[in-house]
Amino acid sequence: DTEVTQTPKHLVMGMTNKKSLKCEQHMGHRAMYWYKQKAKKPPELMFVYSYEKLSINESVPSRFSPECPNSSLLNLHLHALQPEDSALYLCASSQEGQGAFGPGTRLTVT
Amino acid sequence: GQNIDQPTEMTATEGAIVQINCTYQTSGFNGLFWYQQHAGEAPTFLSYNVLDGLEEKGRFSSFLSRSKGYSYLLLKELQMKDSASYLCALMDSNYQLIWGAGTKLIIKP
Repeated sequence: DTEVTQTPKHLVMGMTNKKSLKCEQHMGHRAMYWYKQKAKKPPELMFVYSYEKLSINESVPSRFSPECPNSSLLNLHLHALQPEDSALYLCASSQEGQGAFGPGTRLTVT
Repeated sequence: GQNIDQPTEMTATEGAIVQINCTYQTSGFNGLFWYQQHAGEAPTFLSYNVLDGLEEKGRFSSFLSRSKGYSYLLLKELQMKDSASYLCALMDSNYQLIWGAGTKLIIKP
């Protein structure tokens, strides 16, 4: 298995909703990431988990809450988002010499 | 600190060759990646260099010079489907990816 999977592919949510994005990889990568990408911009790092521990939090608002239940899974819990949070959310995993991205979740906040 | 520079946009002709450059400054280095990204899609892995020299993979080649903080992606026999953004990304000493802003490549017939 050489891929990162993400669900859902598309998500539309209101500003009062609670939802979660899910990411899974079975390549044994020990670092997992959440990125946010707006149109025509490179991915912006949000969170990094290294060996299932949160190692980087790039000053992301608390309405985004990451969780790493085990070495293969990464979740991003969403609550009380704003319309400007609409973006492509990418999960990635890596270890030396290998980096893989999931297909992303296209999130629209209404 | 860390810094990555690559051109914002390049234009090339179908069938030709194009070289996309990436320069970087970093205190810790664990390799350099090139990714291709079509609009609205996730980046896809193209190449990884950690040692100096040229890595060839079909129509795509990637070069690295660690002493110069320089890499390039070479695309040969360009096809219309190669129109995309090409992202240079540095893996730092903590194995985290630092991204360049990307180069938008436009292929003309």
